Amino acid sequence: KAGVTQTPRYLIKTRGQQVTLSCSPISGHRSVSWYQQTPGQGLQFLFEYFSETQRNKGNFPGRFSGRQFSNSRSEMNVSTLELGDSALYLCASSFLGVYEQYFGPGTRLTVT
Amino acid sequence: DQQVKQNSPSLSVQEGRISILNCDYTNSMFDYFLWYKKYPAEGPTFLISISSIKDKNEDGRFTVFLNKSAKHLSLHIVPSQPGDSAVYFCAASDPGGYQKVTFGTGTKLQVIP
Repeated sequence: KAGVTQTPRYLIKTRGQQVTLSCSPISGHRSVSWYQQTPGQGLQFLFEYFSETQRNKGNFPGRFSGRQFSNSRSEMNVSTLELGDSALYLCASSFLGVYEQYFGPGTRLTVT
Repeated sequence: DQQVKQNSPSLSVQEGRISILNCDYTNSMFDYFLWYKKYPAEGPTFLISISSIKDKNEDGRFTVFLNKSAKHLSLHIVPSQPGDSAVYFCAASDPGGYQKVTFGTGTKLQVIP
């Protein structure tokens, strides 16, 4: 069974630009969550999607947005990038109602 | 406001000894707790979980203990092996949050051969 895949794995952007990250969940998993990991901050919850609907959202500014498609694939977008957005962005998928999540390898975003 | 806290950023243990990783939480609504392990350049991997109706759960070398009155949980690894060297994250979820999971900041475990 293929794991969670995330593309791209590495990305370098300039302040002010926008970026789109992609996540393909494990087949059959319809819940997809996104997290931001920075040194000393652990994993900060961004949002969670199920059946193309955002069900939960963390405490991030509106520059962070996401969506989910009918095949459960998900994208997240960050507009007007700031230096502080440099982080590892992790996607996780799970079955509905199951807290144990399967994570992808992450996308390392560097903003210069 | 950090609702899940791992106050030890790092821990070193000799191979074969017990590793004890600690986690404290503040939200009394949390009813399910998980531990994840993360190697560099990989995403976290689920390790073990415990429901708030239990106080202990074992899986091989890994045991999680939950003390609800103290809002504290711990992960015991016995015996510790060099391959256990990784960052360990404690996480918690509440029933009203759908599948929103709150993670701690992680503890880096180094097992010395």
